[in-house]
Amino acid sequence: AQKVTQAQTEISVVEKEDVTLDCVYETRDTTYYLFWYKQPPSGELVFLIRRNSFDEQNEISGRYSWNFQKSTSSFNFTITASQVVDSAVYFCALTGEENNAGNMLTFGGGTRLMVKP
Amino acid sequence: NAGVTQTPKFRILKIGQSMTLQCTQDMNHNYMYWYRQDPGMGLKLIYYSVGAGITDKGEVPNGYNVSRSTTEDFPLRLELAAPSQTSVYFCASSLAGAPVDGYTFGSGTRLTVV
Repeated sequence: AQKVTQAQTEISVVEKEDVTLDCVYETRDTTYYLFWYKQPPSGELVFLIRRNSFDEQNEISGRYSWNFQKSTSSFNFTITASQVVDSAVYFCALTGEENNAGNMLTFGGGTRLMVKP
Repeated sequence: NAGVTQTPKFRILKIGQSMTLQCTQDMNHNYMYWYRQDPGMGLKLIYYSVGAGITDKGEVPNGYNVSRSTTEDFPLRLELAAPSQTSVYFCASSLAGAPVDGYTFGSGTRLTVV
């Protein structure tokens, strides 16, 4: 079965610090997709990124960057120069052929990031 | 373009009551999903649908039922509500599986069973 583990349940940093959120996954699929979602205090889920299993290039989007390493089954998320508005729960999620035809997402437990001013 | 609309946003149910959580999308997406999020936890899939007339169970389907008579609507029915169903429910949709721009989620329904 597919599994996503976010070992850090809660992280607290001071504004302008860099912070990395860890995500480790398990799957038997050769083709799979990894996602990161942000859930701010308002509760909605905001899509951040999708990465497919054949693309190991790191991605940078402004202060956000993602490091995908198949060798360690990890898809870590780094926020550079964190801001108070980054305070949220962040979810890593996975889908692939093992999740059957519906391509349903398997979510990790989430990491609550608190950025203090 | 409203995206995925869920109603109601909040609801309190008594044990044994039933209700339907509504979900509508206006993006002509084929795939629709219902997830629940328990406090401090990730989301777990309840049911999903890959098109009108087709539904299937997810990870935690017990106590729920769904139907998909149209592409737009995917209601979730709770029969005989139990305290264990206290959760936040999210509906989501996508044009196909594993979309490049992610799945679109509704804003959630917070349900409390007392």
